[in-house]
Amino acid sequence: EVQLVQSGAEVKKPGESLILSCKASGYDFSSYWIGWVRQMPGKGLEWMGIIYPSDSDTRYSPSFQGQVNISADKSISTAYLQWTSLKASDTAIYYCVRRWEVSNSPPFDFWGQGTLVTVSS
Amino acid sequence: SYALTQPLSVSVALGQTAIITCGGNNIGGKLVHWYQRRPGQAPVLVIYNDANRPSGIPERFSGSNSGNTATLTISRVQVGDEADYFCHVWDSGTGVFGGGTQLTVL
Repeated sequence: EVQLVQSGAEVKKPGESLILSCKASGYDFSSYWIGWVRQMPGKGLEWMGIIYPSDSDTRYSPSFQGQVNISADKSISTAYLQWTSLKASDTAIYYCVRRWEVSNSPPFDFWGQGTLVTVSS
Repeated sequence: SYALTQPLSVSVALGQTAIITCGGNNIGGKLVHWYQRRPGQAPVLVIYNDANRPSGIPERFSGSNSGNTATLTISRVQVGDEADYFCHVWDSGTGVFGGGTQLTVL
């Protein structure tokens, strides 16, 4: 059974750093792109970026390029989303997602449970 | 940048048919995916590549895509279908989501 299990909720202050994790199981982690999706309070979904764990090829949405860092450790089947300096506007739920290469415009077939990040002074 | 437009809300009587639209410039030339997000739960893929259902998704869920509008149709709506629904496409290597539609079952 495919599972994406994310790290727990975080409460941070502006300017602090943060790393979220997403532990994958039930499939060959290296062979699927894995990414992150943001949902700000009361808003829709936003695609942030994606990484191919086999070679660490990483793509970012233009909206998030330079704002976050996406990485993966294939030895422990875990993907990460990292900030060096959080802002209040980073308050959101973050989902990790697996991309299913069923076509040249693939869907996300599995989602993590989401991690709530609250940034407040 | 490419944008997808969804109605904020759709209401439908129990047992009737719900139609949720997703508008975009020539969206018919793209492959559209749909996700269901029940309150407090992670999103679930319900339709992929315009009209295909993943394993485990009821036949009541169907999709179509043509011109400037993609459509998610839910037949014989049940209380458990009450959720937010999001459409999704890829444009120039970037994932794009619609704003989401809240489905209310009356």
